[in-house]
Amino acid sequence: DAKTTQPTSMDCAEGRAANLPCNHSTISGNEYVYWYRQIHSQGPQYIIHGLKNNETNEMASLIITEDRKSSTLILPHATLRDTAVYYCIVRVNSGYSTLTFGKGTMLLVSP
Amino acid sequence: ETGVTQTPRHLVMGMTNKKSLKCEQHLGHNAMYWYKQSAKKPLELMFVYSLEERVENNSVPSRFSPECPNSSHLFLHLHTLQPEDSALYLCASSRGQFATNEKLFFGSGTQLSVL
Repeated sequence: DAKTTQPTSMDCAEGRAANLPCNHSTISGNEYVYWYRQIHSQGPQYIIHGLKNNETNEMASLIITEDRKSSTLILPHATLRDTAVYYCIVRVNSGYSTLTFGKGTMLLVSP
Repeated sequence: ETGVTQTPRHLVMGMTNKKSLKCEQHLGHNAMYWYKQSAKKPLELMFVYSLEERVENNSVPSRFSPECPNSSHLFLHLHTLQPEDSALYLCASSRGQFATNEKLFFGSGTQLSVL
């Protein structure tokens, strides 16, 4: 699976958009970009994934660059409950999932 | 509520004890996983079961013994653990084989302390 690079930490004011970047310059053509988050002392939670088109669901939007070498997760109106570690993972989308979690980005949402 | 339930939520055990962690999923999934998360470290995949057969075993010491009696239940049997085994143990499930949009659903984990 391709390696990803994320900033260690980010801050965001409550109610503002949180834009979390991820670099995956070695991504292969059949690898998807997945985002999960982990709130303190809980299991990770799936957020969104995509291949090359931008994706949106009730939690977030995923913007993937045309060359697919980077992506951005957007939380449109961050709340205090969005404070968590956010993981960007790239993986082939088939079979069982042996996701490799890196260190992720610690997002702190402040009042 | 993710549909994946882990018990107990917290466990304290001595190095000579034998204990088991339990995981149950109510999602009709075919694959189940054990992950370990030590303090301030990334999650580490320990074991993967697909259709009740172990398909991955990532160099985990034999003092950790998984068991998957059916597709809904997964156990992690622990014996003669070391203090460095203290960690958050997370269970997850996914639709597994033949799925085209694989997502992992995690339980809340068991926080294990080995004294």
